[in-house]
Amino acid sequence: DQQVKQNSPSLSVQEGRISILNCDYTNSMFDYFLWYKKYPAEGPTFLISISSIKDKNEDGRFTVFLNKSAKHLSLHIVPSQPGDSAVYFCAATSNTGNQFYFGTGTSLTVIP
Amino acid sequence: NAGVMQNPRHLVRRRGQEARLRCSPMKGHSHVYWYRQLPEEGLKFMVYLQKENIIDESGMPKERFSAEFPKEGPSILRIQQVVRGDSAAYFCASSPQVGGQPQHFGDGTRLSIL
Repeated sequence: DQQVKQNSPSLSVQEGRISILNCDYTNSMFDYFLWYKKYPAEGPTFLISISSIKDKNEDGRFTVFLNKSAKHLSLHIVPSQPGDSAVYFCAATSNTGNQFYFGTGTSLTVIP
Repeated sequence: NAGVMQNPRHLVRRRGQEARLRCSPMKGHSHVYWYRQLPEEGLKFMVYLQKENIIDESGMPKERFSAEFPKEGPSILRIQQVVRGDSAAYFCASSPQVGGQPQHFGDGTRLSIL
């Protein structure tokens, strides 16, 4: 039962361009969403989050957009840098929930 | 990943042995979560603990797996009589409170079963 889905296993983007990573969810009780970045042999690192009361949250080069009616969120990275190359996981939970539900990840490669 | 410490980083066990994975949360965090990541998959929730209490173990296999978070010391994930299918990366995360807070992850323990 995959409640959070990342349908693109990989994405390649030229340095300086925009990277757009997508995530869909099925559970309407989710009200807090996060993006994590993961390098090989390391744990996930928290990147940015958004509450369901917002539709956009921005932090430097990273912006997360939330479309509740479509149960869809996306992470925009602009401009993309080679150091952004990593696996990006989308996660969701409810404000009273104990667990985070993770997608299967999207491997981003930024080409210099 | 500053703060959450997991050890060992790599653990090799033979089938039938026991595996003990340890996790020390970030300072000031009293909520600990264990996740498992199988190859080519995302992280799957296993268990959520607070000091001396298991709050949610809905993701934990019913047999052979147990977890604790004692008053003193790290949280322990124990796997008894390991089988090949237990080979995975096990991640621990901590947070200062439940709900609406990002969880901070350790670098994981990679368990290999021979």
